[in-house]
Amino acid sequence: KNEVEQSPQNLTAQEGEFITINCSYSVGISALHWLQQHPGGGIVSLFMLSSGKKKHGRLIATINIQEKHSSLHITASHPRDSAVYICAVRVSGTASKLTFGTGTRLQVTL
Amino acid sequence: SQTIHQWPATLVQPVGSPLSLECTVEGTSNPNLYWYRQAAGRGLQLLFYSVGIGQISSEVPQNLSASRPQDRQFILSSKKLLLSDSGFYLCAWSPLDRDNSPLHFGNGTRLTVT
Repeated sequence: KNEVEQSPQNLTAQEGEFITINCSYSVGISALHWLQQHPGGGIVSLFMLSSGKKKHGRLIATINIQEKHSSLHITASHPRDSAVYICAVRVSGTASKLTFGTGTRLQVTL
Repeated sequence: SQTIHQWPATLVQPVGSPLSLECTVEGTSNPNLYWYRQAAGRGLQLLFYSVGIGQISSEVPQNLSASRPQDRQFILSSKKLLLSDSGFYLCAWSPLDRDNSPLHFGNGTRLTVT
């Protein structure tokens, strides 16, 4: 079993829909990252959080440390949100290393 | 502002040939540097990381090696490529000594070994 599990693996939504991507992990962490990978392969860091909730534009990330779970929400989704969203955790005591989920492929259609 | 450059963007190499991928960071000093690989349909896998010049930690035993000849330069190499080395290679950096700091990625190199 992977230390970081994401669901769903694939997601198709219509423009304007509210989207939720989930990430569960089985280890103690010091931080959790949400990343966005576009079709060309480039990766952008969306959020880094260790507690609570963060918001940036239409994106919201939450984390529940006790339940070892994080969610990424996209409000009013748009075709340009189509990408692979990756959850990654920094395992406690591992300093510089991240453990990655396999990603959620999101396709937003008109 | 900080930027990260990685090249080449794509590469097709025959089995048994050497490899050299280069990554440079601008606008920061003493960064942590990382090489990741993403095989088709799989998550990112950490290959090497470096916390300083000449300091390389290897995460996965394989025929790849990494070097950091300068503070902001990180090189991924192989003497003889295998078919299994095909994948998408990403360089990344984060500020040194800041455990909970963002990770910044280069645009990646898509390597196909034929």
